Amino acid sequence: ETGVTQTPRHLVMGMTNKKSLKCEQHLGHNAMYWYKQSAKKPLELMFVYNFKEQTENNSVPSRFSPECPNSSHLFLHLHTLQPEDSALYLCASSQDFSGGSYNEQFFGPGTRLTVL
Amino acid sequence: GNSVTQMEGPVTLSEEAFLTINCTYTATGYPSLFWYVQYPGEGLQLLLKATKADDKGSNKGFEATYRKETTSFHLEKGSVQVSDSAVYFCALSDQSSRSQGNLIFGKGTKLSVKP
Repeated sequence: ETGVTQTPRHLVMGMTNKKSLKCEQHLGHNAMYWYKQSAKKPLELMFVYNFKEQTENNSVPSRFSPECPNSSHLFLHLHTLQPEDSALYLCASSQDFSGGSYNEQFFGPGTRLTVL
Repeated sequence: GNSVTQMEGPVTLSEEAFLTINCTYTATGYPSLFWYVQYPGEGLQLLLKATKADDKGSNKGFEATYRKETTSFHLEKGSVQVSDSAVYFCALSDQSSRSQGNLIFGKGTKLSVKP
């Protein structure tokens, strides 16, 4: 495997379910990101982890819970979601998230989530 | 705050037509600017970037010039192909002290190229 992979690619869940999205990067990067992509809205940054430490949480509801056990893996745990949470969830990674510089972000293919 | 505005789509062109997708930005400091492309069923891929004023980014026949005086970074291609059909996102790097490393994206412009 190369680049950034995400599983599952598609997920349908009820509002009372608990599920997790997984992201893995094979690029040796130290920063990982979760984005939400909804129709007709800009890409929304949800969380950033840099060297396994959470550095950004963009006022995301607590029904989304991220986990970063190591620099290569990132999870998004979902529980008690709402239908408006249906979207494409994209994971990305970059070399790091250092101040004063930009590091190109590499994206996974996304998980298409539908909440019934 | 920082923001990116890009033209509304969808844009439909015939093969070999000239493409322009407009992008303007609002930012403090000196952000880097990017174009990302998302092909159907895939994640975003970096298409090109420019890190300072008057820089021109180019890749796969696409070009964009960082214009500080007009705060623009328009994407152009002289002759589009069917395989260029995708959604194109303009983005800038957030230079605020708290969020350096963040990217701020526009809403995306869908391009459809007909044979």
